[in-house]
Amino acid sequence: QKEVEQNSGPLSVPEGAIASLNCTYSDRGSQSFFWYRQYSGKSPELIMSIYSNGDKEDGRFTAQLNKASQYVSLLIRDSQPSDSATYLCAVRNQAGTALIFGKGTTLSVSS
Amino acid sequence: GAVVSQHPSRVICKSGTSVKIECRSLDFQATTMFWYRQFPKQSLMLMATSNEGSKATYEQGVEKDKFLINHASLTLSTLTVTSAHPEDSSFYICSARVGTDTQYFGPGTRLTVL
Repeated sequence: QKEVEQNSGPLSVPEGAIASLNCTYSDRGSQSFFWYRQYSGKSPELIMSIYSNGDKEDGRFTAQLNKASQYVSLLIRDSQPSDSATYLCAVRNQAGTALIFGKGTTLSVSS
Repeated sequence: GAVVSQHPSRVICKSGTSVKIECRSLDFQATTMFWYRQFPKQSLMLMATSNEGSKATYEQGVEKDKFLINHASLTLSTLTVTSAHPEDSSFYICSARVGTDTQYFGPGTRLTVL
């Protein structure tokens, strides 16, 4: 059973703080990893993709991948109330073409 | 990013009727599109992979005769929910693959079956 696990939260952080979102996956052969943001009632929007071990930064967002630990995370610096949403971790495994999604972590940023 | 549209955005129908949802890639060609379903406070569940010019690949537990998928062109895939029942009420989202990996999602269709 290929799974992607996330803590459902809610994760509450004050405005300006760093929010840390975590995800683990079970298929060691997974190749590609994605973070999506989903606002209530809306469809997911892509934030970042990461393919290699290490960090990848894009503006206030940093994705971190550790394939040995089967772990991927998303850091959001200088969190804003507009970042309040559900963050979905998605993984494409070695054999598949579609993405497997975690259940998402709900982030709440208070002003 | 690439733009994917869905129509309709919201539909309410009576039990037993069929509903067609369209998914279009607006500024690119998509040989592969995906259909997901999302129940309240749940994650996206992949229903099927739609390949242009060939039959869709359905995930385990998804009835292919109930959820008909057609991908007749490189920019359009349709999902038809046949003989809809209240338990089919959900948020249906399509996505299109760009390149080898990245998927962009449509805005979703909220289906309510009375």
